[in-house]
Amino acid sequence: DQQVKQNSPSLSVQEGRISILNCDYTNSMFDYFLWYKKYPAEGPTFLISISSIKDKNEDGRFTVFLNKSAKHLSLHIVPSQPGDSAVYFCAAGSSGAGSYQLTFGKGTKLSVIP
Amino acid sequence: DAGVIQSPRHEVTEMGQEVTLRCKPISGHNSLFWYRQTMMRGLELLIYFNNNVPIDDSGMPEDRFSAKMPNASFSTLKIQPSEPRDSAVYFCASSLGDRGQETQYFGPGTRLLVL
Repeated sequence: DQQVKQNSPSLSVQEGRISILNCDYTNSMFDYFLWYKKYPAEGPTFLISISSIKDKNEDGRFTVFLNKSAKHLSLHIVPSQPGDSAVYFCAAGSSGAGSYQLTFGKGTKLSVIP
Repeated sequence: DAGVIQSPRHEVTEMGQEVTLRCKPISGHNSLFWYRQTMMRGLELLIYFNNNVPIDDSGMPEDRFSAKMPNASFSTLKIQPSEPRDSAVYFCASSLGDRGQETQYFGPGTRLLVL
């Protein structure tokens, strides 16, 4: 049973336009969420996070939106650049009960076309 | 600063052989995680340690897999005997803190191929 779902395996966007990557979760205990970016032959690198007490977090070209009622979050990249082409993983965790685990989605491959 | 270090980066072995993957977490981090990535299942948590103690190994596929963390700067993941279905990329990650919302930092991974 997948608790974190990224329903789009891939996404293509023109350079300069907005990229929107989506993620849905089912576990109500999740209270913080992260996005990781992964290039081929490298490990995932942390991009941006959001706590459940917020509904938006922004860092430069990257913004994460959280809709708790819908159990949905999204990552917006504006403007998209060719260097953003990578696989993006959504991850969720629960800070309760001293757990440090993250549950990952299967990833969305973003291709930014010059 | 050195990130998470994993070795080897690539491993090719034959079915039945023992495989040992190594990880050096970021200095000062107190949690360490082993993940496996496959096309079918994505990134799966195998086991994680906090202060060198295994906290949850429920993700370890079967008894052929074992992990140790003898000290704060070193961990191993061993597969014995290895099988072709173990072929995957294995990532180690580490984090600092005990608030439960810490960012995990990943190593470059070990690409394992079992023939």
